[in-house]
Amino acid sequence: AQSVTQLDSHVSVSEGTPVLLRCNYSSSYSPSLFWYVQHPNKGLQLLLKYTSAATLVKGINGFEAEFKKSETSFHLTKPSAHMSDAAEYFCVVSEGTGGYNKLIFGAGTRLAVHP
Amino acid sequence: GAVVSQHPSWVICKSGTSVKIECRSLDFQATTMFWYRQFPKQSLMLMATSNEGSKATYEQGVEKDKFLINHASLTLSTLTVTSAHPEDSSFYICSAPARMEETQYFGPGTRLLVL
Repeated sequence: AQSVTQLDSHVSVSEGTPVLLRCNYSSSYSPSLFWYVQHPNKGLQLLLKYTSAATLVKGINGFEAEFKKSETSFHLTKPSAHMSDAAEYFCVVSEGTGGYNKLIFGAGTRLAVHP
Repeated sequence: GAVVSQHPSWVICKSGTSVKIECRSLDFQATTMFWYRQFPKQSLMLMATSNEGSKATYEQGVEKDKFLINHASLTLSTLTVTSAHPEDSSFYICSAPARMEETQYFGPGTRLLVL
């Protein structure tokens, strides 16, 4: 069975400093992995996805994530945080490739960005 | 990208009444849609998979008689919370995979408050 663990429930950074949101997964298959962002009172937005192609995945708004099979990790990074990055971030694993599979959500990491 | 809408965006109802939430894929057809529930400051939990022209598939622990799902067309799925109680108050989110893509698109969510 698939599962995903987000190692930090809250992360606080200063504007302009790097962001690291950690995620570990467990999967019996070759997983598809995603990062979604949820701003207050808004819908989920896909940041990036890994589907067995390049292990370093670039997403929107300067975010990227690296799939490391040996470490079963898929950490999200950004070189320089903006105030607008403050939101809830979810690491998600899919039971397989293709959009028709169930998504398993991590507990979420709330990112705070301070001036 | 593909757009998924939900209606209403928020609803307040009295205990014992039923509430219908609509999920529409606006610019693509969706034979499958997913319904999630998100309690405050928690992650998304998959409730059920809605299949066009057939019965929905419910996750373990979700009462199918309480959460009625109808997928009447290729662009519309509805979730009806029957005999709602205060513990049903939550944020309900739907998603739909766009054909040939390995991504689900999420609706903006419906916030339900049962008094």
